[in-house]
Amino acid sequence: DAKTTQPTSMDCAEGRAANLPCNHSTISGNEYVYWYRQIHSQGPQYIIHGLKNNETNEMASLIITEDRKSSTLILPHATLRDTAVYYCIVTTSGTYKYIFGTGTRLKVLA
Amino acid sequence: NAGVTQTPKFRVLKTGQSMTLLCAQDMNHEYMYWYRQDPGMGLRLIHYSVGEGTTAKGEVPDGYNVSRLKKQNFLLGLESAAPSQTSVYFCASRRTGGTGANVLTFGAGSRLTVL
Repeated sequence: DAKTTQPTSMDCAEGRAANLPCNHSTISGNEYVYWYRQIHSQGPQYIIHGLKNNETNEMASLIITEDRKSSTLILPHATLRDTAVYYCIVTTSGTYKYIFGTGTRLKVLA
Repeated sequence: NAGVTQTPKFRVLKTGQSMTLLCAQDMNHEYMYWYRQDPGMGLRLIHYSVGEGTTAKGEVPDGYNVSRLKKQNFLLGLESAAPSQTSVYFCASRRTGGTGANVLTFGAGSRLTVL
């Protein structure tokens, strides 16, 4: 599986868009990009995933660069409840192992 | 639909004691996982299972054993607990094939303290 690199922490003002970057320069053609978040000490929660096209759902948008070496998770209007650790993972559906990194700690400020 | 249920939620052990954490899922998922999370750290994969009767080692398997006798249950055992195993343990499951097949569903976690 491709390794990912994320900033350790970020701050965002409430109501503004939160843009969380992820580098995955060794990603292969059949690997998807997945995003999860972990609020406080709860179990991680799935947010969104994509292969090469940009994706949007009710929680967030995922922008993947054309070369697929990096991606950005966008929370369009961050709220205090979006304060969490966000994990970017690259894997294939046929992979048994599912490895998490250390993620980005996002703090939304009032 | 309960999803993934972990028991117990909290446990305190003395060094050398043994215990078993139970993970149960009602989604008919094939794959199940056990992770540990130490304070301020990310999740590390302990063991996983790709089906009933099969288990495999993850990133940090030492000191733990697992069993998957039934498809819906994945047990994590500590034979002789050590203070280094103080952590929060998360179980997760996912199905195989189809849209969203690689999406993990997590339990609420089991907080273990070893004195």
